[in-house]
Amino acid sequence: DGGITQSPKYLFRKEGQNVTLSCEQNLNHDAMYWYRQDPGQGLRLIYYSQIVNDFQKGDIAEGYSVSREKKESFPLTVTSAQKNPTAFYLCASSTPGDKNIQYFGAGTRLSVL
Amino acid sequence: AQKVTQAQTEISVVEKEDVTLDCVYETRDTTYYLFWYKQPPSGELVFLIRRNSFDEQNEISGRYSWNFQKSTSSFNFTITASQVVDSAVYFCALSVYGGATNKLIFGTGTLLAVQP
Repeated sequence: DGGITQSPKYLFRKEGQNVTLSCEQNLNHDAMYWYRQDPGQGLRLIYYSQIVNDFQKGDIAEGYSVSREKKESFPLTVTSAQKNPTAFYLCASSTPGDKNIQYFGAGTRLSVL
Repeated sequence: AQKVTQAQTEISVVEKEDVTLDCVYETRDTTYYLFWYKQPPSGELVFLIRRNSFDEQNEISGRYSWNFQKSTSSFNFTITASQVVDSAVYFCALSVYGGATNKLIFGTGTLLAVQP
């Protein structure tokens, strides 16, 4: 089955720790995205990538980092510089061949211990 | 600047009632796209519809229908004969044509609770 897999489903971070959220897609999509969702708010774009080895900051990139070494994978690292990391993180992918519609994974819920 | 407003934070209806979710958008671009997504309790966003700015025809898909009116910058979503399985958060989103990617601007969402 084609889709987007995010892991883990739940993640806990200690003070001063970096944590990495995984996002893998087997849809052969070119573009991938990371969003943050806070209670009662819409999704806000953290980073996005159009092609391998290239990515751009979104609206709230501070305290986060990404890499895009493979087309299928777009991991997000929440660094210790992100002072308020507790949120629900969603990964998405899209392709021009499908009208650039973004399809989403099931999300990772990150909490601070 | 682009913006999406979903003024209804929460709506509660009884099963079989019709319900309309409002969405108002702002953009100065002439080419843009509007979307609706559903977020059930499981958390994953499910794509429902994409509409481009040049197509103002209303669309119906089963119990779902969408009313796009450029004159009022609105893209409202109606569920007819609601069911408990329709309970979810619904997001309206806007994107401006950007080539290979599609940066979405989301509204804050409307939580729909359908009571049996």
